[in-house]
Amino acid sequence: NAGVTQTPKFQVLKTGQSMTLQCAQDMNHNSMYWYRQDPGMGLRLIYYSASEGTTDKGEVPNGYNVSRLNKREFSLRLESAAPSQTSVYFCASSPGEYQPQHFGDGTRLSIL
Amino acid sequence: SQKIEQNSEALNIQEGKTATLTCNYTNYSPAYLQWYRQDPGRGPVFLLLIRENEKEKRKERLKVTFDTTLKQSLFHITASQPADSATYLCALNAGKSTFGDGTTLTVKP
Repeated sequence: NAGVTQTPKFQVLKTGQSMTLQCAQDMNHNSMYWYRQDPGMGLRLIYYSASEGTTDKGEVPNGYNVSRLNKREFSLRLESAAPSQTSVYFCASSPGEYQPQHFGDGTRLSIL
Repeated sequence: SQKIEQNSEALNIQEGKTATLTCNYTNYSPAYLQWYRQDPGRGPVFLLLIRENEKEKRKERLKVTFDTTLKQSLFHITASQPADSATYLCALNAGKSTFGDGTTLTVKP
């Protein structure tokens, strides 16, 4: 009964380092999403994948890339980390693009 | 520009009272609206979805209303309990999902 699994849970990077955040869901959902959440703020959509084989930009895509590896997995990559990317990153999935989303418990990323 | 506003960052109420949270939006025409609950250190959890042609939706002690003329949704928790203390997020689905900043509810015993 895992739902959405994100790895790692915590990570500290130095400015300029690269990093891939992993996300996997076991609910056979078609759509997957990456959000960031800064302190006291709501979720901002970085990228999403409406279905396997497609990806699209969200509200704040700059500095990030994504890969929908297969139906289960959707990864987020920071090519050259910057302090402004310090945040909590949430992955979510939904059966279809306009349906309720199931979230993982987040990756807490600090960039020094 | 498009905007979602949730009422005051924090709402404090006494146990047993009804909590009412507000979600206002501008420059959107959402097909539907969702409410989520988020506990500290956890991801949001879906609570309720209401479509643009629905006025009201209920689930146990929860009730959501959706007024597309006022561009507003109200989220009610009746007979509130300390366990209801959390941050509540509204989300609009007009194409891509857009979330409000949330309202933190504290229910005091």
